[in-house]
Amino acid sequence: QVQLVQSGGEVKKPGASVKVSCKASGYTFTNYYMHWVRQAPGQGLEWMGVINPNGGSTTYAQNFQGRVTMTRDTSTSTVYMELNSLRSEDTAVYFCARTFIAARPPGDYWGQGTLVTVSS
Amino acid sequence: QSALTQPRSVSGSPGQSVTISCTGTSSDVGGSNYVSWYQHHPGKAPKLVIYDVTKRPSEIPDRFSGSKSGNTASLTISGLQAEDEGDYYCCSYAGSLFVFGTGTEVTVL
Repeated sequence: QVQLVQSGGEVKKPGASVKVSCKASGYTFTNYYMHWVRQAPGQGLEWMGVINPNGGSTTYAQNFQGRVTMTRDTSTSTVYMELNSLRSEDTAVYFCARTFIAARPPGDYWGQGTLVTVSS
Repeated sequence: QSALTQPRSVSGSPGQSVTISCTGTSSDVGGSNYVSWYQHHPGKAPKLVIYDVTKRPSEIPDRFSGSKSGNTASLTISGLQAEDEGDYYCCSYAGSLFVFGTGTEVTVL
């Protein structure tokens, strides 16, 4: 069965970086794009970017340009999202979610979410 | 990229229908055949209920339906049930980028 399993919660200080992983199983990893979406406390869902595991190309939301890097490791079917220069406003639950078609929004399977807390 | 506009909340009694709008521009909703809707309960992963404007995943009951007119997409829940309570978000392709709606809280009275 399809599963997206994310890494555990993190607590970081302002200015630090965080790297969240999303390990895929139950399907052909390189056939599906992987999105990252976050939700800050009391806020709505926010799209961060997407990576094509087949080749590694990425597209990032303007709000995160220069601060986010998405990578993948095809040998372990894992995608990573690294966010730099963390500030308190980055405290949020971060989700990965797959999609089959490049133009299609995040799709049928999502990770369980990873809580990242930024606090001094 | 600005968030798509949704009503903050809608409500209905069991058995009634509610419709949630999602208004964007010709650069996103109006120009895209790829609009999705999600049901979300805080602390859980969002659940896809509609994709490609009108399509339903197999496990989603046919009480959920999607449509689009111009720059506005809509999600209709017919025969409202208590389990339909939660937050609903739209999301649209916007020319290599994606944008979510502001979210709508659905309350079953």
